[in-house]
Amino acid sequence: EVQLVESGGGLVQPGGSLRLSCAVSGFTFSDHYMDWVRQAPGKGLEWVGRIRDKGHSYTTEYAASVKGRFTISGDESKNSVYLQMNSLKTEDTGVYYCVRLGLWTGSGYHIDYWGQGILVTVSS
Amino acid sequence: DIQMTQSPSSLFASVGDRVTITCRASHDISNFLAWHQQKPGKAPRSLIYGGSSLLSGVPSRFSGSGSGTDFTLTISSLQPEDFATYFCQQYYSYPLTFGQGTRLEVK
Repeated sequence: EVQLVESGGGLVQPGGSLRLSCAVSGFTFSDHYMDWVRQAPGKGLEWVGRIRDKGHSYTTEYAASVKGRFTISGDESKNSVYLQMNSLKTEDTGVYYCVRLGLWTGSGYHIDYWGQGILVTVSS
Repeated sequence: DIQMTQSPSSLFASVGDRVTITCRASHDISNFLAWHQQKPGKAPRSLIYGGSSLLSGVPSRFSGSGSGTDFTLTISSLQPEDFATYFCQQYYSYPLTFGQGTRLEVK
């Protein structure tokens, strides 16, 4: 059974840092692209960034709103993906979801599984 | 960035109704379009990819169509568990973008 479990959220002051973890099971993360998607309270969904699979050298992409502040990485030995968030702003507050992308189907990489989400609150 | 616009923003319907939600992309995205369902306080669940392909376990009453810039999600006969918010999402180009959501509520 595919599972994605986020951890590491909480309350942090503006300008602070936080690292989110996404422990996966039921599959090997290195075989899949993995994304982070966030949702501000009462708002819609916003794509944060991506780490490609091992075959694509774990290269990354980021939304303009987080580029230079957030970093996505992975650890094969722990079958986990991470989101390092630095220089946090109040507008980074929200629930962060770790998501798995399905294998290439000829029509791109689509989301097929979501984690349960973890709340990050940036406030003084 | 590609903008995704859904209509309507909210929709009132009854069990057994056929409902259709529309999603329009600001640029041609071919069929790189997904639909996701979210219930209050829960993580989203992915329903459809490639504009019309159902993910495993998704009931056949859900269907998607369209290509280019105009897409639809149809629920053929609403069930009680279908009342939720639905989001479309393009994965044609970075940054990936979502529609603002369509809230499907009980009439």
